[in-house]
Amino acid sequence: GDSVTQTEGLVTLTEGLPVMLNCTYQTIYSNPFLFWYVQHLNESPRLLLKSFTDNKRTEHQGFHATLHKSSSSFHLQKSSAQLSDSALYYCALSDDTNAYKVIFGKGTHLHVLP
Amino acid sequence: GGIITQTPKFLIGQEGQKLTLKCQQNFNHDTMYWYRQDSGKGLRLIYYSITENDLQKGDLSEGYDASREKKSSFSLTVTSAQKNEMAVFLCASSIGQNYAEQFFGPGTRLTVL
Repeated sequence: GDSVTQTEGLVTLTEGLPVMLNCTYQTIYSNPFLFWYVQHLNESPRLLLKSFTDNKRTEHQGFHATLHKSSSSFHLQKSSAQLSDSALYYCALSDDTNAYKVIFGKGTHLHVLP
Repeated sequence: GGIITQTPKFLIGQEGQKLTLKCQQNFNHDTMYWYRQDSGKGLRLIYYSITENDLQKGDLSEGYDASREKKSSFSLTVTSAQKNEMAVFLCASSIGQNYAEQFFGPGTRLTVL
Protein backbone atom coordinates (compact mmCIF):
# COMPACT_ATOMS: atom_id res chain seq x y z
CA GLY A 1 0.00 0.00 0.00
CA ASP A 2 0.87 3.68 -0.04
CA SER A 3 3.40 4.94 2.49
CA VAL A 4 5.14 8.16 3.52
CA THR A 5 8.61 8.49 5.04
CA GLN A 6 9.71 11.67 6.76
CA THR A 7 12.83 12.92 8.50
CA GLU A 8 12.53 11.07 11.77
CA GLY A 9 12.25 12.54 15.21
CA LEU A 10 13.49 15.98 16.13
CA VAL A 11 15.18 18.60 13.96
CA THR A 12 16.79 21.41 15.92
CA LEU A 13 18.20 24.51 14.30
CA THR A 14 18.95 28.11 15.08
CA GLU A 15 16.68 30.98 14.11
CA GLY A 16 17.62 32.42 10.74
CA LEU A 17 18.99 29.20 9.30
CA PRO A 18 17.25 27.41 6.41
CA VAL A 19 14.74 24.67 7.06
CA MET A 20 14.48 21.45 5.09
CA LEU A 21 12.22 18.62 6.20
CA ASN A 22 12.38 15.54 4.00
CA CYS A 23 9.39 13.64 2.72
CA THR A 24 9.43 10.71 0.33
CA TYR A 25 6.52 8.53 -0.61
CA GLN A 26 5.65 5.20 -2.16
CA THR A 27 2.61 4.60 -4.32
CA ILE A 28 1.82 2.44 -7.29
CA TYR A 29 -0.46 5.11 -8.70
CA SER A 30 0.74 7.76 -11.11
CA ASN A 31 -1.24 10.74 -9.79
CA PRO A 32 -0.33 11.29 -6.15
CA PHE A 33 -1.54 14.23 -4.11
CA LEU A 34 0.95 15.46 -1.50
CA PHE A 35 0.25 17.59 1.57
CA TRP A 36 2.15 19.18 4.44
CA TYR A 37 0.24 19.72 7.68
CA VAL A 38 1.59 21.63 10.68
CA GLN A 39 0.59 21.12 14.31
CA HIS A 40 1.65 23.65 16.91
CA LEU A 41 1.73 22.72 20.58
CA ASN A 42 -1.77 22.20 22.02
CA GLU A 43 -3.37 22.80 18.62
CA SER A 44 -4.82 20.59 15.92
CA PRO A 45 -3.08 19.87 12.61
CA ARG A 46 -3.83 22.34 9.84
CA LEU A 47 -2.94 22.36 6.18
CA LEU A 48 0.24 24.23 5.29
CA LEU A 49 0.50 23.47 1.58
CA LYS A 50 -0.36 20.87 -1.03
CA SER A 51 0.50 19.86 -4.59
CA PHE A 52 -0.27 17.37 -7.32
CA THR A 53 1.68 19.01 -10.15
CA ASP A 54 5.05 17.53 -10.99
CA ASN A 55 8.04 19.89 -10.73
CA LYS A 56 5.98 22.92 -9.76
CA ARG A 57 6.93 24.88 -6.62
CA THR A 58 4.07 25.61 -4.24
CA GLU A 59 4.39 28.21 -1.48
CA HIS A 60 2.50 29.30 1.59
CA GLN A 61 3.40 31.34 4.67
CA GLY A 62 7.08 31.43 3.75
CA PHE A 63 7.33 27.66 3.25
CA HIS A 64 7.68 25.99 -0.12
CA ALA A 65 7.77 22.50 -1.55
CA THR A 66 8.07 20.94 -5.00
CA LEU A 67 6.61 17.58 -5.94
CA HIS A 68 9.17 15.52 -7.83
CA LYS A 69 7.57 12.35 -9.14
CA SER A 70 10.91 11.13 -10.51
CA SER A 71 12.30 10.85 -6.99
CA SER A 72 8.93 10.46 -5.17
CA SER A 73 9.75 13.43 -2.99
CA PHE A 74 7.99 16.46 -1.53
CA HIS A 75 10.48 18.15 0.80
CA LEU A 76 9.39 21.16 2.87
CA GLN A 77 11.71 24.16 2.83
CA LYS A 78 11.99 27.66 4.22
CA SER A 79 14.83 30.07 3.67
CA SER A 80 15.02 31.39 7.23
CA ALA A 81 13.59 29.69 10.31
CA GLN A 82 11.61 31.64 12.89
CA LEU A 83 10.94 30.74 16.51
CA SER A 84 7.24 30.44 15.65
CA ASP A 85 8.03 27.65 13.17
CA SER A 86 8.62 25.27 16.07
CA ALA A 87 5.94 22.62 15.57
CA LEU A 88 5.20 19.08 14.44
CA TYR A 89 5.09 18.72 10.66
CA TYR A 90 3.30 15.92 8.84
CA CYS A 91 3.69 14.94 5.21
CA ALA A 92 0.64 13.18 3.78
CA LEU A 93 -0.31 11.34 0.59
CA SER A 94 -3.43 10.44 -1.31
CA ASP A 95 -4.07 9.70 -4.98
CA ASP A 96 -6.80 10.04 -7.53
CA THR A 97 -7.89 6.41 -7.31
CA ASN A 98 -9.04 6.97 -3.73
CA ALA A 99 -8.71 10.63 -2.85
CA TYR A 100 -10.56 10.14 0.41
CA LYS A 101 -7.93 7.93 2.02
CA VAL A 102 -5.02 10.08 3.20
CA ILE A 103 -1.87 8.44 4.56
CA PHE A 104 0.22 10.48 7.00
CA GLY A 105 3.89 10.11 7.80
CA LYS A 106 5.14 9.78 11.37
CA GLY A 107 5.81 13.49 11.67
CA THR A 108 8.93 15.59 12.22
CA HIS A 109 9.33 17.84 15.23
CA LEU A 110 11.03 21.11 14.34
CA HIS A 111 12.53 23.05 17.22
CA VAL A 112 13.93 26.48 16.42
CA LEU A 113 16.36 27.96 18.92
CA PRO A 114 17.04 31.68 19.43
CA GLY B 1 -16.12 28.86 8.22
CA GLY B 2 -17.05 26.06 10.50
CA ILE B 3 -16.01 24.12 13.52
CA ILE B 4 -15.44 20.54 14.61
CA THR B 5 -16.40 19.58 18.13
CA GLN B 6 -15.15 16.44 19.84
CA THR B 7 -16.54 15.05 23.09
CA PRO B 8 -15.33 14.31 25.61
CA LYS B 9 -12.08 16.25 25.70
CA PHE B 10 -10.59 13.76 28.18
CA LEU B 11 -11.70 10.16 28.58
CA ILE B 12 -10.52 7.84 31.33
CA GLY B 13 -11.51 4.22 31.10
CA GLN B 14 -10.88 0.84 32.61
CA GLU B 15 -9.32 -2.14 30.91
CA GLY B 16 -11.87 -4.04 28.86
CA GLN B 17 -14.37 -1.22 28.86
CA LYS B 18 -16.25 -0.11 25.76
CA LEU B 19 -15.71 3.60 25.19
CA THR B 20 -17.38 5.97 22.73
CA LEU B 21 -15.97 9.18 21.29
CA LYS B 22 -18.15 11.66 19.41
CA CYS B 23 -17.47 14.19 16.67
CA GLN B 24 -19.70 16.89 15.22
CA GLN B 25 -18.96 19.27 12.32
CA ASN B 26 -20.90 22.21 10.93
CA PHE B 27 -18.90 22.65 7.73
CA ASN B 28 -21.55 20.59 5.90
CA HIS B 29 -18.68 18.36 4.74
CA ASP B 30 -19.44 15.01 3.18
CA THR B 31 -16.36 13.14 4.37
CA MET B 32 -15.30 12.51 7.95
CA TYR B 33 -12.31 10.74 9.49
CA TRP B 34 -11.02 9.27 12.74
CA TYR B 35 -7.27 9.23 13.37
CA ARG B 36 -5.23 8.02 16.28
CA GLN B 37 -2.19 10.12 17.21
CA ASP B 38 0.66 8.52 19.12
CA SER B 39 4.01 10.12 19.71
CA GLY B 40 6.49 8.88 17.12
CA LYS B 41 3.84 7.05 15.12
CA GLY B 42 2.13 9.92 13.40
CA LEU B 43 -1.54 10.03 12.47
CA ARG B 44 -2.99 6.62 11.73
CA LEU B 45 -6.33 6.30 10.00
CA ILE B 46 -8.89 4.24 11.90
CA TYR B 47 -12.13 4.76 9.97
CA TYR B 48 -13.48 7.17 7.43
CA SER B 49 -16.87 7.88 5.97
CA ILE B 50 -17.14 9.26 2.45
CA THR B 51 -20.73 10.33 2.88
CA GLU B 52 -23.67 9.76 5.20
CA ASN B 53 -24.35 6.02 5.69
CA ASP B 54 -20.92 5.08 4.36
CA LEU B 55 -18.16 3.48 6.44
CA GLN B 56 -14.63 2.55 5.34
CA LYS B 57 -11.89 0.86 7.35
CA GLY B 58 -8.51 2.46 7.67
CA ASP B 59 -5.25 0.74 8.46
CA LEU B 60 -5.89 0.68 12.23
CA SER B 61 -9.54 -0.39 12.40
CA GLU B 62 -9.05 -3.54 14.48
CA GLY B 63 -10.37 -2.95 17.98
CA TYR B 64 -12.64 -0.11 16.89
CA ASP B 65 -16.13 0.40 15.51
CA ALA B 66 -17.51 3.56 13.94
CA SER B 67 -20.90 4.98 13.12
CA ARG B 68 -21.94 7.86 10.84
CA GLU B 69 -25.27 8.72 12.37
CA LYS B 70 -25.90 11.68 10.10
CA LYS B 71 -23.95 13.97 7.83
CA SER B 72 -22.72 16.14 10.67
CA SER B 73 -21.73 13.46 13.17
CA PHE B 74 -19.29 10.56 13.30
CA SER B 75 -18.72 8.37 16.38
CA LEU B 76 -15.88 6.04 17.24
CA THR B 77 -16.10 3.17 19.72
CA VAL B 78 -13.14 1.51 21.35
CA THR B 79 -14.55 -2.01 21.70
CA SER B 80 -12.27 -3.13 24.55
CA ALA B 81 -9.87 -0.63 26.08
CA GLN B 82 -6.32 -1.87 26.56
CA LYS B 83 -4.60 -1.40 29.92
CA ASN B 84 -2.13 1.52 30.06
CA GLU B 85 -3.26 2.73 26.63
CA MET B 86 -2.78 6.44 26.08
CA ALA B 87 -3.50 8.23 22.84
CA VAL B 88 -5.16 11.24 21.27
CA PHE B 89 -8.01 10.61 18.84
CA LEU B 90 -8.53 13.24 16.18
CA CYS B 91 -11.65 13.69 14.10
CA ALA B 92 -11.41 15.46 10.74
CA SER B 93 -13.68 16.40 7.88
CA SER B 94 -13.32 17.48 4.26
CA ILE B 95 -15.50 18.34 1.29
CA GLY B 96 -14.70 14.92 -0.10
CA GLN B 97 -13.19 15.84 -3.41
CA ASN B 98 -9.78 15.14 -4.88
CA TYR B 99 -7.02 17.05 -3.21
CA ALA B 100 -9.31 18.41 -0.49
CA GLU B 101 -8.00 19.91 2.72
CA GLN B 102 -8.87 18.15 5.96
CA PHE B 103 -10.02 20.19 8.95
CA PHE B 104 -9.27 18.70 12.35
CA GLY B 105 -11.07 18.80 15.66
CA PRO B 106 -9.35 19.50 19.01
CA GLY B 107 -9.03 15.82 19.91
CA THR B 108 -10.04 13.43 22.67
CA ARG B 109 -7.26 12.27 24.97
CA LEU B 110 -7.79 8.70 26.14
CA THR B 111 -6.18 7.16 29.21
CA VAL B 112 -6.87 3.58 30.23
CA LEU B 113 -6.12 2.61 33.80
